[in-house]
This record gives sequence, structure tokens and C-alpha cells, in this order.
Amino acid sequence: DTAVSQTPKYLVTQMGNDKSIKCEQNLGHDTMYWYKQDSKKFLKIMFSYNNKELIINETVPNRFSPKSPDKAHLNLHINSLELGDSAVYFCASSRQQEPQHFGDGTRLSIL
Amino acid sequence: GQQLNQSPQSMFIQEGEDVSMNCTSSSIFNTWLWYKQEPGEGPVLLIALYKAGELTSNGRLTAQFGITRKDSFLNISASIPSDVGIYFCAGPSGGSNYKLTFGKGTLLTVNP
Repeated sequence: DTAVSQTPKYLVTQMGNDKSIKCEQNLGHDTMYWYKQDSKKFLKIMFSYNNKELIINETVPNRFSPKSPDKAHLNLHINSLELGDSAVYFCASSRQQEPQHFGDGTRLSIL
Repeated sequence: GQQLNQSPQSMFIQEGEDVSMNCTSSSIFNTWLWYKQEPGEGPVLLIALYKAGELTSNGRLTAQFGITRKDSFLNISASIPSDVGIYFCAGPSGGSNYKLTFGKGTLLTVNP
């Protein structure tokens, strides 16, 4: 009964490839987020969707495209992967502006 | 953008000791959140603070929302080995709790 689940947990791929990360929450929340955590553990928000509508879109390369098919899912597609994309990507969810609940992360390594 | 200064960056303590860490902001916050991240996992919410001066406890953890609304403190009493992890403070950026700004974290190591 995981609350916020992300797949895959690990993703190792070559530069230039396209990949997707999936996120699902079973908390009944209406808002979902993607964060990037760099090698120094700094957490930075990338995107947020509220009721399937994009509400936060930080300065992120347009190779990153989020997609929310419904309130319980938020996927992240990344085109033309670069070395600098190596990081841990966290999905989170919340009910409106209440505190956010995080998944366990997807560790992306670019070779 | 808003910045959160979190200190100390890391702490090495003996089991049983008390721990204190803090977070300061360049601007006023209406919410302060404290999260803990263990290796291989995502951040887990420990305490949420919503009012200036508020003092809230969660077991051995106590956090306070500073009166100036620009700072917050987290104390852990009688530390145990499972307290090991990175502790993050977070607050709303631009007044919106949707967009959180995180501190850089305090890495806590507890020696048994």
C-alpha cells in the first residue's frame, strides 16, 4: 500500500536516449510534483500539476515533458538525455497546498 | 529567488546526545516544514508549522516557527542510531505552498 510510487527505481541509459519515469499516488491528492535532487542532495522543484493542469513550470530544458493523464498519475518524459541529467528524480503529491508526500525516487544514470 | 540557509551542514554526535539545527530565510514564510531523508528513500515529513511562535513536537522531535517568521529550529532529544539521515527544512516560495524551497540539508550521523 505504497502512497506515492515511482517506476523504475533505477534507470541506467546512454546519452541521447529518450526515457520515461512514471508516478502514481493512491492518497486521493489533487496535486502532483516532480523534483530533481542533484549529487549534493539539493532538492529543486521542476513541475507541478493540480487537477491535471500545469501550475508550476520551472526553468527546465524543454527536453523534459511532464504528462498527467489523471489526478493520480504524473509521468516525466525526457528526450535526448545528457550527462547532466544524472540525478535522483522524486515525485510528490499533496492535497491542495498541504504538505507534500514524496516517493522513493528514480536514480537516473547517464553513461 | 528565495533562499533557505540551513545549518549546520553536518553533525556527528554520540547516541543519547541532543541535536539542534536551524533554518533561516531571506523573506517571511507562512509555513515551515521539516523533512527527513534516509538513504535510498524520499523525504518524509516530520513536522509542519503554520504560525509564528508555534512550538510543535513529534516524539523526540520538537520544531519551532520563529517569531520573525524568517527562521525555524528543529531539536532532536536523546538521539538514537536510526535518527541518521539528512534533515531538510522547506518553506513556500512566493507565498505558495505548492512551490516549496528546500534548504541544503543537515546530514546527521549518530555513533552508537
